[in-house]
Amino acid sequence: RKEVEQDPGPFNVPEGATVAFNCTYSNSASQSFFWYRQDCRKEPKLLMSVYSSGNEDGRFTAQLNRASQYISLLIRDSKLSDSATYLCVVLDPYSSASKIIFGSGTRLSIRP
Amino acid sequence: GAGVSQSPRYKVAKRGQDVALRCDPISGHVSLFWYQQALGQGPEFLTYFQNEAQLDKSGLPSDRFFAERPEGSVSTLKIQRTQQEDSAVYLCASSLRLEPYEQYFGPGTRLTVT
Repeated sequence: RKEVEQDPGPFNVPEGATVAFNCTYSNSASQSFFWYRQDCRKEPKLLMSVYSSGNEDGRFTAQLNRASQYISLLIRDSKLSDSATYLCVVLDPYSSASKIIFGSGTRLSIRP
Repeated sequence: GAGVSQSPRYKVAKRGQDVALRCDPISGHVSLFWYQQALGQGPEFLTYFQNEAQLDKSGLPSDRFFAERPEGSVSTLKIQRTQQEDSAVYLCASSLRLEPYEQYFGPGTRLTVT
């Protein structure tokens, strides 16, 4: 089993829809979680950190479910510009750099 | 302000050639990371520097890969005797603090080995 797994998609949704996807992680001791966004042929950019209590940034909501070992990203009122690959990142505890683990990404395509 | 820059942006190498990839991190950033990203995959960690010290190189796939950051700023990733499986995008990221949170990535170098 991979340490961090994501549904590769693609998720193809109409503009204005709400879409959510998950990322599961295998190490129950993992402490820090992030969502990055990567546009085609571009570098990843930090979208948001994922806090234990969940957090929201505009149309984006990130949540952590420790019991089931997954994080989620919810996008409301999706825009064409949200089309991208969304990468989840898990840092293991005691955080040596080698424990920065990226998922393979979930592709999201918003259609007009 | 200036972000992370990488050069060259594209590199085509014949199998067996040596290549050197350069990363200029954001000024003042302590931590620097190199990743390898294959098509359709997420970035895979290669190595990590804290200032000039290479603290972790466990992700380097073979002893053909070598990285340095001699003055704690610019870093170079060198690949000797390139193989076709080395073809990938090589991403550099820097972070202001010691912890790898909020990494800022460069645009990457797309290496194609023919």
